[in-house]
Amino acid sequence: KNEVEQSPQNLTAQEGEFITINCSYSVGISALHWLQQHPGGGIVSLFMLSSGKKKHGRLIATINIQEKHSSLHITASHPRDSAVYICAVSGGTASKLTFGTGTRLQVTL
Amino acid sequence: DAGVTQSPTHLIKTRGQQVTLRCSPKSGHDTVSWYQQALGQGPQFIFQYYEEEERQRGNFPDRFSGHQFPNYSSELNVNALLLGDSALYLCASSLVSDYGYTFGSGTRLTVV
Repeated sequence: KNEVEQSPQNLTAQEGEFITINCSYSVGISALHWLQQHPGGGIVSLFMLSSGKKKHGRLIATINIQEKHSSLHITASHPRDSAVYICAVSGGTASKLTFGTGTRLQVTL
Repeated sequence: DAGVTQSPTHLIKTRGQQVTLRCSPKSGHDTVSWYQQALGQGPQFIFQYYEEEERQRGNFPDRFSGHQFPNYSSELNVNALLLGDSALYLCASSLVSDYGYTFGSGTRLTVV
């Protein structure tokens, strides 16, 4: 069993839909990261969480430390949101990241 | 302010050859980590360099080695290439005292 599990693996949505991607982890962590990867390969950091909730534009990330679970929400989805969204956890400052396998999101018109 | 720069962007090598990939960290960052991402998989941690020394290492064979220079830039070397080494190699920089990371765009290595 992977230390970081994401669901769903693939997600297709229509423009404007509310999207939720889930991440569960089985190890102790100091921080959880939500990352976005476009087909070209580069990874962009969206959020870093150690507790509670963060919001940036149409993106919201939450974490429940007791349940070892995090969610990434996208409100009013748009085709430009199409990408792979990856959850990763770290055990300390500058500690290695352990990644989930990602959720491939496609938003259609 | 430049982010993380990786070179080259693409590379094709033959089995048994050796390859060197390069990474320049984000300005102000002192730590460089390398990850291997096979097609359809999440990145896997190779190793991390800080103060010119390997600070952490993942489960990769000794064919994978690295170096960090005084200006914090880093190299990843892979010897005796195998077909299974074909992947996207990602570099991420950070501050040793911080949790955040900045990623480069990666080097796509194809071994034929």
